[in-house]
Amino acid sequence: NAGVMQNPRHLVRRRGQEARLRCSPMKGHSHVYWYRQLPEEGLKFMVYLQKENIIDESGMPKERFSAEFPKEGPSILRIQQVVRGDSAAYFCASSIVRSQETQYFGPGTRLLVL
Amino acid sequence: QKEVEQNSGPLSVPEGAIASLNCTYSDRGSQSFFWYRQYSGKSPELIMSIYSNGDKEDGRFTAQLNKASQYVSLLIRDSQPSDSATYLCAVNRRSGGGADGLTFGKGTHLIIQP
Repeated sequence: NAGVMQNPRHLVRRRGQEARLRCSPMKGHSHVYWYRQLPEEGLKFMVYLQKENIIDESGMPKERFSAEFPKEGPSILRIQQVVRGDSAAYFCASSIVRSQETQYFGPGTRLLVL
Repeated sequence: QKEVEQNSGPLSVPEGAIASLNCTYSDRGSQSFFWYRQYSGKSPELIMSIYSNGDKEDGRFTAQLNKASQYVSLLIRDSQPSDSATYLCAVNRRSGGGADGLTFGKGTHLIIQP
């Protein structure tokens, strides 16, 4: 049973470009969460999605960041007009149901903005 | 603002000894508690989950929860060099349960000395 998959694993962008990060949850999981880990900082919740719905985006920066989880295909975290401060590791996690079940993390995407 | 506090360490423990990791949280209504292990440059890996007051054991790991004191701990018995990592305490973000976005502490860096 494949785990959470994320791609790309590493992404380099220049300031002002767009970054698209993809996440495929574990088989049978319908809940996806995105977290950001800045250097020397803890993991910070960004957004929680189910298929075709954003459930909680209270951790998302108000500008330039958006997320979706379409009916078909992976969840996408999109960062427009990237700045150097966006350089971080972005992790996706999935869970099977919205209960007390555990969230399982993908390998992450390391974004570097030059 | 819900917070999760951990001593950042490093915590140095001799091989074979018991490592004790502690965590406090601010939201008294929190329901679900998790310990993740994160090796440098890798993603968080679930170690334990605990939902009720008391102890929960899994192999060499024991999680302890005291909701009255808002305190969670993780004990690692017979510590091995491979246990050297950063240990993240996480609390469910939404009071009343539900696998919503987790609030993480910054982690404790554990070093097991051979």
